[in-house]
Amino acid sequence: ETGVTQTPRHLVMGMTNKKSLKCEQHLGHNAMYWYKQSAKKPLELMFVYSLEERVENNSVPSRFSPECPNSSHLFLHLHTLQPEDSALYLCASSQDNRGNEKLFFGSGTQLSVL
Amino acid sequence: DQQVKQNSPSLSVQEGRISILNCDYTNSMFDYFLWYKKYPAEGPTFLISISSIKDKNEDGRFTVFLNKSAKHLSLHIVPSQPGDSAVYFCAASPNSGGSNYKLTFGKGTLLTVNP
Repeated sequence: ETGVTQTPRHLVMGMTNKKSLKCEQHLGHNAMYWYKQSAKKPLELMFVYSLEERVENNSVPSRFSPECPNSSHLFLHLHTLQPEDSALYLCASSQDNRGNEKLFFGSGTQLSVL
Repeated sequence: DQQVKQNSPSLSVQEGRISILNCDYTNSMFDYFLWYKKYPAEGPTFLISISSIKDKNEDGRFTVFLNKSAKHLSLHIVPSQPGDSAVYFCAASPNSGGSNYKLTFGKGTLLTVNP
C-alpha cells in the first residue's frame, strides 16, 4: 500500500460511545494532520503533529483527542461527541510542516453522530 | 470570517471547452496558493500551485493565474474532460518558508464536465 490510509471509511456512533479513527502514511513524511470537513464549510484544520509532537491544536474541543505514537501513525480518539460533530474527517501528511509543501490526504472517515 | 472564498458552489461546462474556477482571498499575508481536486469517496489531491512572485503557472491542461492587486486567483482547465468532474478547493498560505499548517481552504467548487 502507498499513500495515506484511513480507517474506518464510515462510522456511526452514539453520543455516549468512544471510538477511534486511524490514519497511516507510507510516504516517509514527518508531519501529519487532522482536518474536519463539514457540509458546506471549508476544510478546518484540527491538529498538526511534527515528528510525533503536537505543534498545533486549533481550538478543538477536548472530546477530540489526538495521538501520534510514531511518524507513520495518527489517531483521533472520540468520546461523548455531539450530533454537530458529524462530518468527514480527513488525515493528511507532508514531508515537513514548514514551507509550502503539498499535503497528501487520506480518503477520510465519514462520521455520523446520532 | 472566510479568508478564502470560492463564490461559485458549482460550475457546468461542455467537454472540450474551458473551465474557469475562481477564488478570492482577503488576507494580504497570503503568498502561496494551491488548488486541490477531490473526487467522491476520495481525499483531496494536489493539483497545481503558484507563488506570489508569479502571476501564472501552467501544468499541462491546467493553468493558475494570480492577480495580487485584486486578491484573486483562477484555475483554467483547457480542454475540459469528463474526468475533470470533481470538487476543486482553493487554498492559501502566508509567507513562503512559513508553516505549512497555516493552509486555509475555500469551500470548494463542484465542476461537472458534460460529454
